[in-house]
Amino acid sequence: NAGVTQTPKFQVLKTGQSMTLQCAQDMNHEYMSWYRQDPGMGLRLIHYSVGAGITDQGEVPNGYNVSRSTTEDFPLRLLSAAPSQTSVYFCASGGGDPWDYVYNEQFFGPGTRLTVL
Amino acid sequence: TQLLEQSPQFLSIQEGENLTVYCNSSSVFSSLQWYRQEPGEGPVLLVTVVTGGEVKKLKRLTFQFGDARKDSSLHITAAQPGDTGLYLCFGSSNTGKLIFGQGTTLQVKP
Repeated sequence: NAGVTQTPKFQVLKTGQSMTLQCAQDMNHEYMSWYRQDPGMGLRLIHYSVGAGITDQGEVPNGYNVSRSTTEDFPLRLLSAAPSQTSVYFCASGGGDPWDYVYNEQFFGPGTRLTVL
Repeated sequence: TQLLEQSPQFLSIQEGENLTVYCNSSSVFSSLQWYRQEPGEGPVLLVTVVTGGEVKKLKRLTFQFGDARKDSSLHITAAQPGDTGLYLCFGSSNTGKLIFGQGTTLQVKP
């Protein structure tokens, strides 16, 4: 089991560029989520998904898009990068049954450190 | 908006001291999880509590779930520099969402 993998680990973008942060899990989890973490701060939820084909917005969705075409993959797209999006991005997946309000352990990826100039 | 409020937000103590971190909400949770995040890493699960009044121990860490399943505490005895990190609580709320607190940053000085 690789767990949750994220690519790339580091990325530098110029303002206005777009890119996709990749996230994959091999644990057959239904629930996947994206968070951003600014220096010295806690997590903020960007988007989440309770299964393939189903996504919803979190606390800070503006400027980001997601899709969930398979159970394994949950990419995060930055549409037009801005300096305010400089942050560390974590993807997580968790078992349980979100439809029954059951969320088991969340497994976090190693993070993508994004700088927007 | 549902919230999980953690307190304190920041804590800086000397090695050997005891501390308690709190996670409170007006919502009822079917389960609550505590995670620790070390610098440069993603959060890692410490414990899950599911029963009201439940107490779990993990070496020097003691976790308690409130009787009404609306709050939880994490107590660390004789803190060590290796306990330094960001402590996060996540709760499975009765409205179907997984919600989390803002985190408590703990620094233990040698």
